[in-house]
Amino acid sequence: EAGVAQSPRYKIIEKRQSVAFWCNPISGHATLYWYQQILGQGPKLLIQFQNNGVVDDSQLPKDRFSAERLKGVDSTLKIQPAKLEDSAVYLCASSSLTLSFEQYFGPGTRLTVT
Amino acid sequence: GENVEQHPSTLSVQEGDSAVIKCTYSDSASNYFPWYKQELGKRPQLIIDIRSNVGEKKDQRIAVTLNKTAKHFSLHITETQPEDSAVYFCAEGSGYALNFGKGTSLLVTP
Repeated sequence: EAGVAQSPRYKIIEKRQSVAFWCNPISGHATLYWYQQILGQGPKLLIQFQNNGVVDDSQLPKDRFSAERLKGVDSTLKIQPAKLEDSAVYLCASSSLTLSFEQYFGPGTRLTVT
Repeated sequence: GENVEQHPSTLSVQEGDSAVIKCTYSDSASNYFPWYKQELGKRPQLIIDIRSNVGEKKDQRIAVTLNKTAKHFSLHITETQPEDSAVYFCAEGSGYALNFGKGTSLLVTP
């Protein structure tokens, strides 16, 4: 089966600019996650979707981050305006909780804010 | 990773030796404990996982043990090989989002 797809793979922006990331989960996976992984740390959950509804966004900095999954498939994560501390790899993952708890990760988008 | 503590942060072993990484967690409701391997610049990949109704699970050279009473679980890699060198993350969850440890950088020297 095809894996989780993400784009772009790399992005460099200046602080205060905006940026958007795209994720296409594994076909049939109802659950989609966005994680932020700062260099040298483990992934930290930003938001979790079940189909097109938000399950958990308690760690999403809502003053600057937003995410949507309008049709319950693809998802976009946006940062506006970006800060230097947003430099990280943004990982998308998906899972089919009806089959297993395993989360499959995409390749990530490496964001550098200068 | 504030709910999961992982030790050690770095581990260096000689090829053929065993490596052990330990994690502790605080949420009694946690029932799923995966371990991920992440090579430099790559995505995290699941190498083994265990659910709370099982105390130990093995897959070839990799094993995971879980002590729910003490709230800790461990990854054991036997007969280590240079290609085992990577960052390993433990995580815990209750069927939904995962809380990750800060990672252990494992170096296996020939």
